[in-house]
Amino acid sequence: GAGVSQSPRYKVAKRGQDVALRCDPISGHVSLFWYQQALGQGPEFLTYFQNEAQLDKSGLPSDRFFAERPEGSVSTLKIQRTQQEDSAVYLCASSPGAYQETQYFGPGTRLLVL
Amino acid sequence: AQSVTQLDSQVPVFEEAPVELRCNYSSSVSVYLFWYVQYPNQGLQLLLKYLSGSTLVKGINGFEAEFNKSQTSFHLRKPSVHISDTAEYFCAVTAENYGGSQGNLIFGKGTKLSVKP
Repeated sequence: GAGVSQSPRYKVAKRGQDVALRCDPISGHVSLFWYQQALGQGPEFLTYFQNEAQLDKSGLPSDRFFAERPEGSVSTLKIQRTQQEDSAVYLCASSPGAYQETQYFGPGTRLLVL
Repeated sequence: AQSVTQLDSQVPVFEEAPVELRCNYSSSVSVYLFWYVQYPNQGLQLLLKYLSGSTLVKGINGFEAEFNKSQTSFHLRKPSVHISDTAEYFCAVTAENYGGSQGNLIFGKGTKLSVKP
C-alpha cells in the first residue's frame, strides 16, 4: 500500500516568506510526528498528533512554527517569516496506534531559506 | 530524558568485510531501541527494533543488533557488507510506556557507512 507522502519535496523560500509543508500519513494511522533534520544531524522531534489532537508541541523551535491536523489525517507544518536557520529537511512519520509502535517515515521536504 | 551517542560519524569498509556501527544511549527509564537507514534523498527506513525479549535482534538486509543493558549499548552489525549498504544509519530510542501519550524518537547524529569495492 501507499506509504507516507510529503509535498513539496523541495522548497526554496526567501527569508521572511511563509511556507506550508504537507504530510499525508498512511491511511488509518492514529499517530503523526514531525521531525526536523538539519544538515549532518539526526532528526529532532518537533510535534506529535494523536488523531486531530496535538498532544505535544514541545519541540517546535519558535512561535513561527505551527502544525495542524484538523481531520486526523493530513497534516500541515507551517513556518511563518522563515529564517535561514530554518533550512533543513522536515520529516513526517506516522504509526498505527498511540503507543510506541514502529514509525513509518516519509521522504521529507528539503527547505532552503535564502 | 534520553540521549543517543553514535561514536563514529563515518565508517569506511571494503565490500564483503564485516562492520559494526556503535550506539550508546542514556536514560533514566527503560527504553525501546531502533536502527533506521537513510539512503540519499530518501526517508528513514526501519532496519530493526528492540522492544523486549531476546537481546539479539535480527533485521532486514542481513543486519542484527544486540541490546546490552549493562553497557547501555545497541550496536549494529553485519557479517558481510555490500556496495548497496552504503547509506547513513541512525540509532534511536524512545521511553518505554511513555505515559501512553506518544513515543517520539530521540536520534543519534548518524553514522555514514561507505562500502568500497
